[in-house]
Amino acid sequence: ETGVTQSPTHLIKTRGQQVTLRCSSQSGHNTVSWYQQALGQGPQFIFQYYREEENGRGNFPPRFSGLQFPNYSSELNVNALELDDSALYLCASRLDSEETQYFGPGTRLLVL
Amino acid sequence: AQTVTQSQPEMSVQEAETVTLSCTYDTSESNYYLFWYKQPPSRQMILVIRQEAYKQQNATENRFSVNFQKAAKSFSLKISDSQLGDTAMYFCAFTFANFGNEKLTFGTGTRLTIIP
Repeated sequence: ETGVTQSPTHLIKTRGQQVTLRCSSQSGHNTVSWYQQALGQGPQFIFQYYREEENGRGNFPPRFSGLQFPNYSSELNVNALELDDSALYLCASRLDSEETQYFGPGTRLLVL
Repeated sequence: AQTVTQSQPEMSVQEAETVTLSCTYDTSESNYYLFWYKQPPSRQMILVIRQEAYKQQNATENRFSVNFQKAAKSFSLKISDSQLGDTAMYFCAFTFANFGNEKLTFGTGTRLTIIP
């Protein structure tokens, strides 16, 4: 086990709604990253947070936003959901001292 | 921007045999890390092995080893004595070793099936 947890496991929303996905990292993992994995594809980087500040972003629109909290938990928020947002959302965290990212089990989001 | 290419969408091998998964990447940087992750049907992305670009010695982890060819920008994964539990999607991934630029760039994956 990686020590990274995510909730919920599955989620169904309708187009136009908003969703919040949650991640809990191990103590000391100051960096958390979020990835979107469409069916049959590799994960795509959404953004990264370090000590509660965003310090890297992939090619995703502003309706994808995040928060990181001092207790090593984090959130991914997606507004105005679109059908193409249906995917597996993964969070990953790492220690400052190493490059390896440890992944959670993901949240499967279906937008109808 | 860096890219990662996995040219084998699917592979299958008999249990106990050896299999090699291919990965090539493209970057102009010299300081980076490479990874192989395994994603079984349970969806959890699990680290298999990592390689620092500055190290010439190929990484090994039990039955898993890599062939890292920096000049050729090649990073293949060899699985020896394959087991049924090795059945999964395998992703090759790349990251820079610079603070604030640690995003992972993944390939499209290779679906590996171990046949009993």
